Amino acid sequence: QKEVEQDPGPLSVPEGAIVSLNCTYSNSAFQYFMWYRQYSRKGPELLMYTYSSGNKEDGRFTAQVDKSSKYISLFIRDSQPSDSATYLCAMSGGGGSNYKLTFGKGTLLTVNP
Amino acid sequence: EPEVTQTPSHQVTQMGQEVILRCVPISNHLYFYWYRQILGQKVEFLVSFYNNEISEKSEIFDDQFSVERPDGSNFTLKIRSTKLEDSAMYFCASSENNQPQHFGDGTRLSIL
Repeated sequence: QKEVEQDPGPLSVPEGAIVSLNCTYSNSAFQYFMWYRQYSRKGPELLMYTYSSGNKEDGRFTAQVDKSSKYISLFIRDSQPSDSATYLCAMSGGGGSNYKLTFGKGTLLTVNP
Repeated sequence: EPEVTQTPSHQVTQMGQEVILRCVPISNHLYFYWYRQILGQKVEFLVSFYNNEISEKSEIFDDQFSVERPDGSNFTLKIRSTKLEDSAMYFCASSENNQPQHFGDGTRLSIL
């Protein structure tokens, strides 16, 4: 079983839609969970950062972590064409967020005007 | 907003040659990392560096690779005797203590 699994998509939605992106993981030592956005030929850009289980909201973005199910989600409300990118989930273990990140493969999202 | 900068953006090298990839981390960050992303694959951890020494390295980071912080601002990744399979995007990242990692835009390494 892979450590972090993420549906690569591609996912195509109309502008204004609510987007749901998900990752599952197998390593129960993961405690820090991140979502990064990656535009073509660019580096990963941090979107959301959460510790342990719970929800975190920032503008149109909401991150959820369910450690009991080993499942994390990112919701994007009122999606915009500028949200079109690859979304990467990443997580790190008990050594803190200074510890190595383990990434999902990324989900390619296209928001159509 | 402060950012991690990487140079060059694209490096083309003959197989067997040595390359040095350069990074300037965010100035108040103390933890530094290298990752790579082979085309179509996941971003993979290579090495982390703190207090002038390697704190962790992956199985990929063998004797072919080395890292150095030659001065107060730069962080470099050296790859000796490059192989075709070293072709990838190489990302540098940095972080404060117990804060998320911030990434540069990467160096695309092409081995011919």
